[in-house]
Amino acid sequence: DTGVSQNPRHKITKRGQNVTFRCDPISEHNRLYWYRQTLGQGPEFLTYFQNEAQLEKSRLLSDRFSAERPKGSFSTLEIQRTEQGDSAMYLCASSLGLAGAPYEQYFGPGTRLTVT
Amino acid sequence: AQTVTQSQPEMSVQEAETVTLSCTYDTSESDYYLFWYKQPPSRQMILVIRQEAYKQQNATENRFSVNFQKAAKSFSLKISDSQLGDAAMYFCAYRSASSGTYKYIFGTGTRLKVLA
Repeated sequence: DTGVSQNPRHKITKRGQNVTFRCDPISEHNRLYWYRQTLGQGPEFLTYFQNEAQLEKSRLLSDRFSAERPKGSFSTLEIQRTEQGDSAMYLCASSLGLAGAPYEQYFGPGTRLTVT
Repeated sequence: AQTVTQSQPEMSVQEAETVTLSCTYDTSESDYYLFWYKQPPSRQMILVIRQEAYKQQNATENRFSVNFQKAAKSFSLKISDSQLGDAAMYFCAYRSASSGTYKYIFGTGTRLKVLA
């Protein structure tokens, strides 16, 4: 396993269209995170899974956003009715999950979304 | 709510010289973790160094070291013997040690340029 992978790497879509991104975490990692990074900013937390359970969601995650992690493996992030403000880099990260341990998150290369 | 501030949008350093990147944070928690991540151009973020708040000793990783001042809520990164490959965006990140909260809170980043 060579790390976290994300597909597609780039996505251009027209406003109002739906898009879906996929993240494949490191195989033994049970925690998976989604972040959004806009130009000149640090990544902002969107949501987090432990195995297949979505345990935390940011207020940034509007009703147009939905994330899933079926069977606790890969995850998908869907944006419905895209808006120009959704243009950003969407980062996925994964980590081990043992209580009390500061396991770092390993990041994927991101999916760059451009909404025209 | 916790916040992370990186007040230096851009820094430059001569090859082989030493540079320090600043990071301050705000939290009411006593137990947490701090990280520095490096994001090279068009490449994914990788962990540079990690510090547990309960440890008084500053973390070091080869040419990278931190100056962790818990009372001042300061966490700076020192890069010694700078190399051209160190050129990247550097992000400071905070993570609570409380169970159930695993998201990172990132600063806005510092772009490091290394001059040959």
